[in-house]
Amino acid sequence: GQQLNQSPQSMFIQEGEDVSMNCTSSSIFNTWLWYKQDPGEGPVLLIALYKAGELTSNGRLTAQFGITRKDSFLNISASIPSDVGIYFCAGQKGGTSGSRLTFGEGTQLTVNP
Amino acid sequence: DSGVTQTPKHLITATGQRVTLRCSPRSGDLSVYWYQQSLDQGLQFLIQYYNGEERAKGNILERFSAQQFPDLHSELNLSSLELGDSALYFCASSVVGSNSPLHFGNGTRLTVT
Repeated sequence: GQQLNQSPQSMFIQEGEDVSMNCTSSSIFNTWLWYKQDPGEGPVLLIALYKAGELTSNGRLTAQFGITRKDSFLNISASIPSDVGIYFCAGQKGGTSGSRLTFGEGTQLTVNP
Repeated sequence: DSGVTQTPKHLITATGQRVTLRCSPRSGDLSVYWYQQSLDQGLQFLIQYYNGEERAKGNILERFSAQQFPDLHSELNLSSLELGDSALYFCASSVVGSNSPLHFGNGTRLTVT
């Protein structure tokens, strides 16, 4: 079953506001990834993080790999209506534990214009 | 467009039946993963194949099986279908390497009536 705790479950914000969501785990992951899923589509990779403490940006998105390797957060600045969707964190153990992903439960983001 | 192709997009079938879902990975990707997404379970890892061989197994029922062919496309076979098997089934692929991000297709929505 799921090992990642993602919060919040849902967010309702006004256009232009900043958003923050995070993910915690009871075990260590060697890679953290953030995906966005729009209705009727598959998850799309937003950001991949490979080193503890790493802070990476992709446009208005910024994500960090927690120093303990058990958590990650995603920030979205100056939200716009097309940011609406479900955001998933995912952890990857790598090495002999393999490359499959374990997903968080998702954060449903609604942006009001 | 992730480059991962899944067919069919929608599938409606009756309980007890058998269906086959097909996935073509991104060009150059050797690993294929299958995930199930239902409303109350999030994205659950089912199985991974690498270059034709089973690499990792997750929460896959005995009624389900998969294979990866020499041309690297994969099929997920679901048999003796039950109402609870209704879900979105996603295929993802990645390049060689235990820390490679997964890229997802747009899924097959299976409805069992």
